[in-house]
Amino acid sequence: DAGITQSPRYKITETGRQVTLMCHQTWSHSYMFWYRQDLGHGLRLIYYSAAADITDKGEVPDGYVVSRSKTENFPLTLESATRSQTSVYFCASSRELNYNEQFFGPGTRLTVL
Amino acid sequence: GQQVMQIPQYQHVQEGEDFTTYCNSSTTLSNIQWYKQRPGGHPVFLIQLVKSGEVKKQKRLTFQFGEAKKNSSLHITATQTTDVGTYFCAGIDAGGTSYGKLTFGQGTILTVHP
Repeated sequence: DAGITQSPRYKITETGRQVTLMCHQTWSHSYMFWYRQDLGHGLRLIYYSAAADITDKGEVPDGYVVSRSKTENFPLTLESATRSQTSVYFCASSRELNYNEQFFGPGTRLTVL
Repeated sequence: GQQVMQIPQYQHVQEGEDFTTYCNSSTTLSNIQWYKQRPGGHPVFLIQLVKSGEVKKQKRLTFQFGEAKKNSSLHITATQTTDVGTYFCAGIDAGGTSYGKLTFGQGTILTVHP
């Protein structure tokens, strides 16, 4: 039971480079989410998706792009990485949007130099 | 927009002492969830509260949802070293402005000294 996986687990990149973080879930959950976690800010929603080809912005979407061509995958792309995007990124999924727990992946620690 | 504030940000306790973290929302919530994140780990769902004034218990953990559905608390009785981690509350705005998405509090980091 793989659940929800993220890759890479650690990434170091340079300012201006494009970076893609991968998220894969095996539960066929409809909803998938991307959060970033920074000390003092908790978890902030970047983007979420209700189904394949349906995505919407969260609280902090600027500088990020998402796609969802298949239910099980939800990649997050930083088009031109900036130092302020250094963070820990968590992908999550849930069956429904309301009244459903979210299952989180192990996270990707991204450092932008 | 909706804001969820959590206090305290840090709490250091001796093993065996009790611990409480409080969560306050700027808007009325339809439900609130609590998550625990161990150091170096990912958030893990603990519980969900839906009804006004609801109280739920999980062994040494007691969760409460306020009568006005704008605040919540998590109380741990007789902490153990296994309780170490960050506790997050997360709520959904009952007014619908968040379209069902969770808004997380900043979390309370709990350390337990043996």
